[in-house]
Amino acid sequence: DTAVSQTPKYLVTQMGNDKSIKCEQNLGHDTMYWYKQDSKKFLKIMFSYNNKELIINETVPNRFSPKSPDKAHLNLHINSLELGDSAVYFCASSPPGRLNTEAFFGQGTRLTVV
Amino acid sequence: GQQVMQIPQYQHVQEGEDFTTYCNSSTTLSNIQWYKQRPGGHPVFLIQLVKSGEVKKQKRLTFQFGEAKKNSSLHITATQTTDVGTYFCARRNTDKLIFGTGTRLQVFP
Repeated sequence: DTAVSQTPKYLVTQMGNDKSIKCEQNLGHDTMYWYKQDSKKFLKIMFSYNNKELIINETVPNRFSPKSPDKAHLNLHINSLELGDSAVYFCASSPPGRLNTEAFFGQGTRLTVV
Repeated sequence: GQQVMQIPQYQHVQEGEDFTTYCNSSTTLSNIQWYKQRPGGHPVFLIQLVKSGEVKKQKRLTFQFGEAKKNSSLHITATQTTDVGTYFCARRNTDKLIFGTGTRLQVFP
């Protein structure tokens, strides 16, 4: 059973389009995240949600809107896609406990904007 | 103040050679975690260090947390081609996990 699953795995789209990436975790975790990994492999946190509530928004443009219908799901919707949005997006989750908990990552969504 | 730097950025080694990556912070860390990301894969948790001066081992991997809790290292003894990937340290800051810049390891057979 996949613990953290993202769909789609690959996404190629034109500039200006709107797209969504879905994420689900079956681990019973309270906290979920979205990370962006650029071509240099830097992993940067975008959003953190705890029990469906937005906790952290790391100065991400308003074109990115996360939605958490329940604590097992955290979807990412992106409006008006730009070339610079091309990256690998990772969803992750953590168990309760705010300091000493590891993150479990999904397999990533490679987004290419042309 | 939250940046976590890793060196080197890249390392190419011959199979059988040792490898070390270092993680440095300007502020004291409450804990440090290490992750491995295989090419084309996702980050996978390896270990967490919490105590000052802590040393943990996983087979050929040795993890250390500095006495001042501002740095950490991961050492791989006698690398194998299966060790190829990017190694990240990460610090947990309440509701988020901040990743280091990563060290990309290439192992030549």
